[in-house]
Amino acid sequence: KQEVTQIPAALSVPEGENLVLNCSFTDSAIYNLQWFRQDPGKGLTSLLLIQSSQREQTSGRLNASLDKSSGRSTLYIAASQPGDSATYLCAVLYGNKLVFGAGTILRVKS
Amino acid sequence: NAGVTQTPKFQVLKTGQSMTLQCAQDMNHEYMSWYRQDPGMGLRLIHYSVGAGITDQGEVPNGYNVSRSTTEDFPLRLLSAAPSQTSVYFCASSPGYGYTFGSGTRLTVV
Repeated sequence: KQEVTQIPAALSVPEGENLVLNCSFTDSAIYNLQWFRQDPGKGLTSLLLIQSSQREQTSGRLNASLDKSSGRSTLYIAASQPGDSATYLCAVLYGNKLVFGAGTILRVKS
Repeated sequence: NAGVTQTPKFQVLKTGQSMTLQCAQDMNHEYMSWYRQDPGMGLRLIHYSVGAGITDQGEVPNGYNVSRSTTEDFPLRLLSAAPSQTSVYFCASSPGYGYTFGSGTRLTVV
């Protein structure tokens, strides 16, 4: 069964810290991997998309890496801000199906 | 360009009632999907479509029907609502890489 796991489940950091969110997947035959942000009671906002042939993608203070052989992806957030507080979801595309992890709840304290 | 539009945003149903959750996209995407999000369970795939006239089951299809008569629309039907279908429902679309999500429908079945 294709499973996606995110660690940690929750994270609380002071403002300004650099942090890493982890995502692992059991089946390495992926098409791509997408990181999303979800604010409470809201929909999903796409942050970064990494194709299976890529190693990393960057957008502003965000950097996502992909290691297919080990079944892992990391989302690096630099200089965290209170506005970064949200749930971060990792999703892996297998064929026509997007499989989600349970998410990491991030709280950045001012 | 509205993206993915879901209606209604909120709905309360009585057990046994039927209803249709609407989803429309204006990006000419071939792929569309329905997910439900439950606390502690993450997002789970209900049904998906790879083009007009083509649908398939996801991880949790029981109790739900779909059809795709046009590229733009992908409605989700609950034929006889049950309390277990209380959830937040998200519709998503994709051109084949990277998914865009709607803002969700919060459904309560009493």
